[in-house]
Amino acid sequence: GNSVTQMEGPVTLSEEAFLTINCTYTATGYPSLFWYVQYPGEGLQLLLKATKADDKGSNKGFEATYRKETTSFHLEKGSVQVSDSAVYFCALSETGTASKLTFGTGTRLQVTL
Amino acid sequence: DAGVTQSPTHLIKTRGQHVTLRCSPISGHKSVSWYQQVLGQGPQFIFQYYEKEERGRGNFPDRFSARQFPNYSSELNVNALLLGDSALYLCASSSTGTGEFSGNTIYFGEGSWLTVV
Repeated sequence: GNSVTQMEGPVTLSEEAFLTINCTYTATGYPSLFWYVQYPGEGLQLLLKATKADDKGSNKGFEATYRKETTSFHLEKGSVQVSDSAVYFCALSETGTASKLTFGTGTRLQVTL
Repeated sequence: DAGVTQSPTHLIKTRGQHVTLRCSPISGHKSVSWYQQVLGQGPQFIFQYYEKEERGRGNFPDRFSARQFPNYSSELNVNALLLGDSALYLCASSSTGTGEFSGNTIYFGEGSWLTVV
């Protein structure tokens, strides 16, 4: 079956530091890949997505590249802000399936001044 | 435009009781999915409905059921509640049943927090 593995948190960084959150996946076929963010007390928000190999998703300074050869979709940001503190979820959906997302366990990011 | 709306936002139930959670998708969206998020974990897929038909079901017991109405809103029902059902229940909507395959984005509501005591 499908699965998503994320690096465990919490990740604590100082403001303006570089962020990497690792994500690898296992899937049959050609999945689409996503990063969702969950701020405290809120629901999930789509951060970025990539639907085929070598695609790069980007939004709000965050980037992730769909690497089929390494089955990875690592999230990066060059300079984090305190407002980026949240839980980040990597997820996949298989091509042609119903709107079924398989999520990782989430990585909590805390950014301090 | 309103996003995905869910009700109630918080509720407390006793073991053995029944609960109904409600979801209104974004206007024009015909697909609704339900997810369970236990504290500290990622959301787990429960159901997807499209055009009032069940299109997908996750690995949840028969105590969980759902339906979609002609206006595309949806209900999630859980019978015989267990302590382990305590979680955030998320509803998501998209314009088609095939989600990202056709380039459509899945949008989540803020969820219903269920506590079973």
